[in-house]
Amino acid sequence: ETGVTQSPTHLIKTRGQQVTLRCSSQSGHNTVSWYQQALGQGPQFIFQYYREEENGRGNFPPRFSGLQFPNYSSELNVNALELDDSALYLCASSPDTGRYGYTFGSGTRLTVV
Amino acid sequence: DQQVKQNSPSLSVQEGRISILNCDYTNSMFDYFLWYKKYPAEGPTFLISISSIKDKNEDGRFTVFLNKSAKHLSLHIVPSQPGDSAVYFCAATQGASGSRLTFGEGTQLTVNP
Repeated sequence: ETGVTQSPTHLIKTRGQQVTLRCSSQSGHNTVSWYQQALGQGPQFIFQYYREEENGRGNFPPRFSGLQFPNYSSELNVNALELDDSALYLCASSPDTGRYGYTFGSGTRLTVV
Repeated sequence: DQQVKQNSPSLSVQEGRISILNCDYTNSMFDYFLWYKKYPAEGPTFLISISSIKDKNEDGRFTVFLNKSAKHLSLHIVPSQPGDSAVYFCAATQGASGSRLTFGEGTQLTVNP
C-alpha cells in the first residue's frame, strides 16, 4: 500500500502570486485534510474534503481553496500569496471522516518572497 | 486562542531514562487525544491515542495518561532511546467525525546516548 505523497516538496513564490499544491491520498482513503504548519508551531487545520465535498474548514480566508478528485487525490490552492503564507503544508488522508487512521504526507515547503 | 498547549519547547533525557511530555487543553468538548511524532523532512506519524472515557493507554514503551479534571495529558516513554529523538505533537479532536485535529506547538525531545 502506498502512503500519502505530496508535490512539489519545495516551492518559492512571489507575494501576490497563486500556488497549487497537490496530494495523492493513501490507497483506500476517501478523506483528505490539509494543514498549515508555520515555523515553530503545530499544524493548523485548513479544511477537509470527503468524497469531493468540503467537510469542515478552519480559520483560513477564502483565498485558501481546495479540490478533491474522484480518485481522491486533492489540491490546495492559495491566491494572492502573502509573506505569512510561508509554511509547511501537510496533507493527511484517512479511510473515512472519522478520527482514526490519519496518514500524513511529508509536506510541501512554501516560501513566499 | 490556543486550545492545545505544550509548554515545553524542548526536553533532553539520557538513554534508558523516562521521557515525560506534557500537554494541556482548554476545550472541554475534546473527547479524543492523539500523540504524533515528527522527524525532519517527514510528515507527522501517529504514535498513540486515548479516548476521554479512559485515563490510561499503553502501547509498548509508550503510555499516555489523561487527567480530564485538570485538562492535562502526558506521554511517557520508557526506556527512552536515541531513535526517539523527534518533535512530539499532542492533538485533540471532538465528536464522532473527528474531522479536524487541533495540535499543540510541539516538544523537541532529544535522547542522549
